[in-house]
Amino acid sequence: AQSVTQLGSHVSVSEGALVLLRCNYSSSVPPYLFWYVQYPNQGLQLLLKYTSAATLVKGINGFEAEFKKSETSFHLTKPSAHMSDAAEYFCAVSEAGNTPLVFGKGTRLSVIA
Amino acid sequence: DAGVIQSPRHEVTEMGQEVTLRCKLISGHNSLFWYRQTMMRGLELLIYFNNNVPIDDSGMPEDRFSAKMPNASFSTLKIQPSEPRDSAVYFCASSIQGSYGYTFGSGTRLTVV
Repeated sequence: AQSVTQLGSHVSVSEGALVLLRCNYSSSVPPYLFWYVQYPNQGLQLLLKYTSAATLVKGINGFEAEFKKSETSFHLTKPSAHMSDAAEYFCAVSEAGNTPLVFGKGTRLSVIA
Repeated sequence: DAGVIQSPRHEVTEMGQEVTLRCKLISGHNSLFWYRQTMMRGLELLIYFNNNVPIDDSGMPEDRFSAKMPNASFSTLKIQPSEPRDSAVYFCASSIQGSYGYTFGSGTRLTVV
């Protein structure tokens, strides 16, 4: 069965610092991987997705993620944090895109001025 | 495009009462997913439909929960009778079958007292 583990339920960074949110997956077949962001009292919004094309994926708001098969990882990064990036971030996996998304428990990102 | 529309946004009900949550899909989307979000368990898939047909309802907690798609653009999730442990945020999401990444609604926050 597919699963996702997000390391760290809460990450705090200073404004302008690097953002790194960690995600490791488990899948018996080539995975499709996603990052979503959730702002307070809102639904989830797709940030970026990996669907077996380029391993470095660029998304909205300056975020990107790199698929590393050898490490079974799909970490989310942003070079410089902005106050508006404070939110909950979810990593999700789907087996070859044919199954519903399975989400990690989420990582809350705080940005300190 | 109005996006995925859920109603009500908030629902407070007494234990034992029937609760109905509603979801309107994005026009042209033919896959519909119901998720439940709690602090303890994160985002859990309850049920999903393709072309109005339920594909997997193994995530529905028990017989008190039921979901329908009376037409291609609308779905309901019903809980009867409701219990305090059903308190959560319920999201629906829609997509085009086979595409990657869902569009989420803003959720319904259910409180059962």
